[in-house]
Amino acid sequence: QQQVKQSPQSLIVQKGGISIINCAYENTAFDYFPWYQQFPGKGPALLIAIRPDVSEKKEGRFTISFNKSAKQFSLHIMDSQPGDSATYFCAASLNFGNEKLTFGTGTRLTIIP
Amino acid sequence: EAGVAQSPRYKIIEKRQSVAFWCNPISGHATLYWYQQILGQGPKLLIQFQNNGVVDDSQLPKDRFSAERLKGVDSTLKIQPAKLEDSAVYLCASSLEFRDGYTFGSGTRLTVV
Repeated sequence: QQQVKQSPQSLIVQKGGISIINCAYENTAFDYFPWYQQFPGKGPALLIAIRPDVSEKKEGRFTISFNKSAKQFSLHIMDSQPGDSATYFCAASLNFGNEKLTFGTGTRLTIIP
Repeated sequence: EAGVAQSPRYKIIEKRQSVAFWCNPISGHATLYWYQQILGQGPKLLIQFQNNGVVDDSQLPKDRFSAERLKGVDSTLKIQPAKLEDSAVYLCASSLEFRDGYTFGSGTRLTVV
């Protein structure tokens, strides 16, 4: 019940396009849903996060859409750029993030010119 | 602000040998985490410290893994004896208050041969 399922495993998007990565969770007690970006040889870095009391959060070109009834959330990257090429992880946590993060399996995003 | 420091960056050992990893969190961060990231997977929590006390070590293989955080600052993770399946990147992270998100170090890549 602690799993977070992420898809797709890999994604290729043209420059300027929209990248969409989806996650689904099982534990309805999760109350904090962050997305992390990881470049090769680096640790994951927090990109954007949402709590279940809102359905959408936007920061620049990055948007989280959250569907509490479906237990799903997604990351949208608008106007995708080659510099966005990285591995993206969704995650979920209890207690507003004060407990451990349960990560998805990751999506390797490649933006082509 | 200096980031989370980890050393060494890379380590290659033979199975059944022992190895230790070191982490120095961001100054003032009370919470410290060790995560294991196997190639192609999301990070998995091994242990969480609050100051020098253990909050969660439910997924730490205690027959071979140990961790300590003396004086509530830096931390050491040890594996003894190592197995082939321990090959992974070991990530250290710290946080001041979780809603600010974790800050991860760049990790130690362990290869067990």
